[in-house]
Amino acid sequence: AQTVTQSQPEMSVQEAETVTLSCTYDTSESDYYLFWYKQPPSRQMILVIRQEAYKQQNATENRFSVNFQKAAKSFSLKISDSQLGDAAMYFCAYRRRGAGNMLTFGGGTRLMVKP
Amino acid sequence: NAGVTQTPKFQVLKTGQSMTLQCAQDMNHEYMSWYRQDPGMGLRLIHYSVGAGITDQGEVPNGYNVSRSTTEDFPLRLLSAAPSQTSVYFCASSPDQGNTEAFFGQGTRLTVV
Repeated sequence: AQTVTQSQPEMSVQEAETVTLSCTYDTSESDYYLFWYKQPPSRQMILVIRQEAYKQQNATENRFSVNFQKAAKSFSLKISDSQLGDAAMYFCAYRRRGAGNMLTFGGGTRLMVKP
Repeated sequence: NAGVTQTPKFQVLKTGQSMTLQCAQDMNHEYMSWYRQDPGMGLRLIHYSVGAGITDQGEVPNGYNVSRSTTEDFPLRLLSAAPSQTSVYFCASSPDQGNTEAFFGQGTRLTVV
């Protein structure tokens, strides 16, 4: 079975600075997808960024980028120029190719942004 | 498009009561799933469906039933509520198995007393 681990229950960053959230996963599959979801206090799950395992290039979405290390099974999220609106729970998630809508989530990291 | 709609948003049940959490999507997605969210444990898959008439168990299916009679609807039934089922429940849908985003409902906060 796949597992996803987020080792940082809480992180704090100063507004306008950069923060990196860690995620490691365990799988025997070679073809899969990785996601970062943001959950603000409203409870809504919002997709931040996604990565396909067969793509070596790290995904980037505006201020959000990932460092995908397939051999190390690591998938960290870097948030640049942090904003107050980035404060939320962040979840790392894994989905095996061909696994339909079945996601395996990490335990989450609560990110606080200080003004 | 409304996306994924869950009802109710909040519910309090007594131990032993049964209820159905509703989930509907208007995006014609084939894949739907139910998750529960507990503190420190992220979201865990309860049941999922790959199309109308097809359902299967996820990681934590005990105490829950699902059915998928239409593409749009995927209700989750609690047969006999227990305090251990106190959680936030999310329904999600996606169009295919690829690198597509799973769309989530707003969640239902369920408390069993």
